[in-house]
Amino acid sequence: GAGVSQSPSNKVTEKGKDVELRCDPISGHTALYWYRQSLGQGLEFLIYFQGNSAPDKSGLPSDRFSAERTGGSVSTLTIQRTQQEDSAVYLCASTLFMGRRSDTQYFGPGTRLTVL
Amino acid sequence: DAKTTQPTSMDCAEGRAANLPCNHSTISGNEYVYWYRQIHSQGPQYIIHGLKNNETNEMASLIITEDRKSSTLILPHATLRDTAVYYCIVRVTSIIQGAQKLVFGQGTRLTINP
Repeated sequence: GAGVSQSPSNKVTEKGKDVELRCDPISGHTALYWYRQSLGQGLEFLIYFQGNSAPDKSGLPSDRFSAERTGGSVSTLTIQRTQQEDSAVYLCASTLFMGRRSDTQYFGPGTRLTVL
Repeated sequence: DAKTTQPTSMDCAEGRAANLPCNHSTISGNEYVYWYRQIHSQGPQYIIHGLKNNETNEMASLIITEDRKSSTLILPHATLRDTAVYYCIVRVTSIIQGAQKLVFGQGTRLTINP
């Protein structure tokens, strides 16, 4: 079946503008993660959604970052007043979960954000 | 999650088997061994995972030692498209709801040579 999809694949914006990044998880997957990856760096956890539970926002770097997941499926990550340090690849992953001992996260292709 | 140690880089000839080692000597009994890879400019790709038995799928085989302190990912017939950074992760999945945040180490940069 279809994997995780993300859009846009690339986004170039000017400092101070707002951006929205979209993630479509694998159908039926109940959990969704947002990560970001700066050039040559590892994964940085941002936020986690699971079903109807309150999201785990512990990884959001500032209040300029927010995310929502509508209808338990599509998620949007919004960055307000973008800064150059926000430039990174933003990755979305979904997993079937929960209560299982091994829950594999499947990643989308990412959105490469460049803030000029 | 337990720490893992992998070689920084490896080379393998196209068509040969690529064997990527991973040490996880502090692994605990409820931690799984996961392998992901990341091809340049793409999102991480799940390869395989296992607990204590050897595993095989269409992409690779995972050999876990009896004491579980190390494992080897085997790509049986490497192709140029297998050139990527390979990450070995050990993690436990709790039955308690909560984020299971993936943390990648430096991984092994595998280069498949023609």
